[in-house]
Amino acid sequence: GNSVTQMEGPVTLSEEAFLTINCTYTATGYPSLFWYVQYPGEGLQLLLKATKADDKGSNKGFEATYRKETTSFHLEKGSVQVSDSAVYFCALGSGGSYIPTFGRGTSLIVHP
Amino acid sequence: DTAVSQTPKYLVTQMGNDKSIKCEQNLGHDTMYWYKQDSKKFLKIMFSYNNKELIINETVPNRFSPKSPDKAHLNLHINSLELGDSAVYFCASSQGKDSTEAFFGQGTRLTVV
Repeated sequence: GNSVTQMEGPVTLSEEAFLTINCTYTATGYPSLFWYVQYPGEGLQLLLKATKADDKGSNKGFEATYRKETTSFHLEKGSVQVSDSAVYFCALGSGGSYIPTFGRGTSLIVHP
Repeated sequence: DTAVSQTPKYLVTQMGNDKSIKCEQNLGHDTMYWYKQDSKKFLKIMFSYNNKELIINETVPNRFSPKSPDKAHLNLHINSLELGDSAVYFCASSQGKDSTEAFFGQGTRLTVV
């Protein structure tokens, strides 16, 4: 079945540091890939997505590239801010069924 | 105008009680979900409905019963609440198969005492 593996957190960085959160997946077919962000006390919201191999999703300075050869969709940001502190979820679309698959989430803490 | 709204936001109740959480979406989506998020932020899908029909019913106790009166609403009723049911419950919706972007509600924090 489908699965998503994310690096465990928390990831703790100083403001303006470079961020990478690793995500790899196992899936049949070619699902869409997503990163969601959950700010404290809120629901998840879509951060970015990619629908096919080599696509790059980007939003708010974050980006991730759909790598079919390594089955990865790592999240990166060049310079994090305190306001980026949140939990980040990698997810893959259901590929024809109704079951989206989420990773376990990675907590990011950014210090001033 | 909130896209996916769920009520209540907080729910504190005693063991053994029965409670409901309501969810409504105004996005015109045909698929709705209930997720349970534990204290470590792990998201577990519980149910999925497509056009009012139950599509996914993961291994959850039968004390949990979803109800979808129409495709814009998916409510969750929980009987005989237990301490282990304490969690944040999220409603979400999306359009069609392959889960194009899912929209989540703000969550309901359920505490069973």
